Amino acid sequence: NAGVTQTPKFQVLKTGQSMTLQCAQDMNHNSMYWYRQDPGMGLRLIYYSASEGTTDKGEVPNGYNVSRLNKREFSLRLESAAPSQTSVYFCATLGTGEETQYFGPGTRLLVL
Amino acid sequence: AQSVTQLGSHVSVSEGALVLLRCNYSSSVPPYLFWYVQYPNQGLQLLLKYTTGATLVKGINGFEAEFKKSETSFHLTKPSAHMSDAAEYFCAVSALGSYIPTFGRGTSLIVHP
Repeated sequence: NAGVTQTPKFQVLKTGQSMTLQCAQDMNHNSMYWYRQDPGMGLRLIYYSASEGTTDKGEVPNGYNVSRLNKREFSLRLESAAPSQTSVYFCATLGTGEETQYFGPGTRLLVL
Repeated sequence: AQSVTQLGSHVSVSEGALVLLRCNYSSSVPPYLFWYVQYPNQGLQLLLKYTTGATLVKGINGFEAEFKKSETSFHLTKPSAHMSDAAEYFCAVSALGSYIPTFGRGTSLIVHP
């Protein structure tokens, strides 16, 4: 089992470019999350999906969109990247009735 | 509403010394409490958690934490630090039925030889 996988691992964008971060899980978990991690700020929730077909905003959703393609996949899209979106992005999952989140390895994004 | 405060963004200890990372929380309902560890260039992984039952919880790599309701604390300890313990540590809180945990800002543990 791969657990939670994220692609790409690293990306450099120019301001205004768009890109999609991919997340996939083989744990059969219902809930999936996108976080960003910045120095001194901890993890901040961007969007989450409690189940297939539903998505909700988290703490810092501006500038992002998400798509829960199916139970396995949850993508994060930056339509017009800005330098303030330079960060490390983590995908996480949570199973129904469970308490522990499982995290992917992260995508490091640099916006110039 | 729930929140987490981790005292000290950086904690520095010598190898073999006691490790103490502090976490205080606020929650309007009985909390679930977690410590996650993040090694350089990796994702977070669970170190230990408290849900119900025994308030002293043991985790991986010799770490343990005690849930103290009266102090709203869940401090992480390890009797003897090892160089391999150098990492970022995150405290988190959630509640029964909630699938939105709240994370603290993290504490970077530095271990000196």
